[in-house]
Amino acid sequence: KNEVEQSPQNLTAQEGEFITINCSYSVGISALHWLQQHPGGGIVSLFMLSSGKKKHGRLIATINIQEKHSSLHITASHPRDSAVYICAVSRPRYGGSQGNLIFGKGTKLSVKP
Amino acid sequence: EAGVAQSPRYKIIEKRQSVAFWCNPISGHATLYWYQQILGQGPKLLIQFQNNGVVDDSQLPKDRFSAERLKGVDSTLKIQPAKLEDSAVYLCASSSGLYTGELFFGEGSRLTVL
Repeated sequence: KNEVEQSPQNLTAQEGEFITINCSYSVGISALHWLQQHPGGGIVSLFMLSSGKKKHGRLIATINIQEKHSSLHITASHPRDSAVYICAVSRPRYGGSQGNLIFGKGTKLSVKP
Repeated sequence: EAGVAQSPRYKIIEKRQSVAFWCNPISGHATLYWYQQILGQGPKLLIQFQNNGVVDDSQLPKDRFSAERLKGVDSTLKIQPAKLEDSAVYLCASSSGLYTGELFFGEGSRLTVL
């Protein structure tokens, strides 16, 4: 079993829909990262969370430390949101650096117009 | 603020040839990471630097891969000789500190080995 699990693996939505991507982890962490990767390969860091909730534009990320679970929500989805969304955890408190991440396998999101 | 710069964006070489990738991190970021991402997989950390020193290179295939960050700013990752299985996107990231700070990634360098 992977230490970081994401669901769903693939997601197709219609423009305007509310989208949720889930991430569960089984190890102690210092922070959880939500990353966005477009087909060209570059990665954009969306959020780094250690507790609670963060919002940036139409994106909302939440984390429940007790349940070892995080969700990424996209409100009013748009075709330009189409990308792979990756959940990753860092464990500097347990050894290793901030960039020594354990990655989930990613969720491929396709938003249709 | 300028982001993490990487070059080249794309490179196609034949097996047994050599290739080098360059990364310039965000100004002032002490920590720099190189990752390898094979198609369909998550990134794998190859090496991390703190200023001009190597913190961890345990996952770097040292028989063919080398990396340096001589002045503690930009970094070069070299593969010599390349193998077919080295085809991947090579990502560079930086952060302000080894244990703190948000990660910023570059656009990646896509390598195809024929």
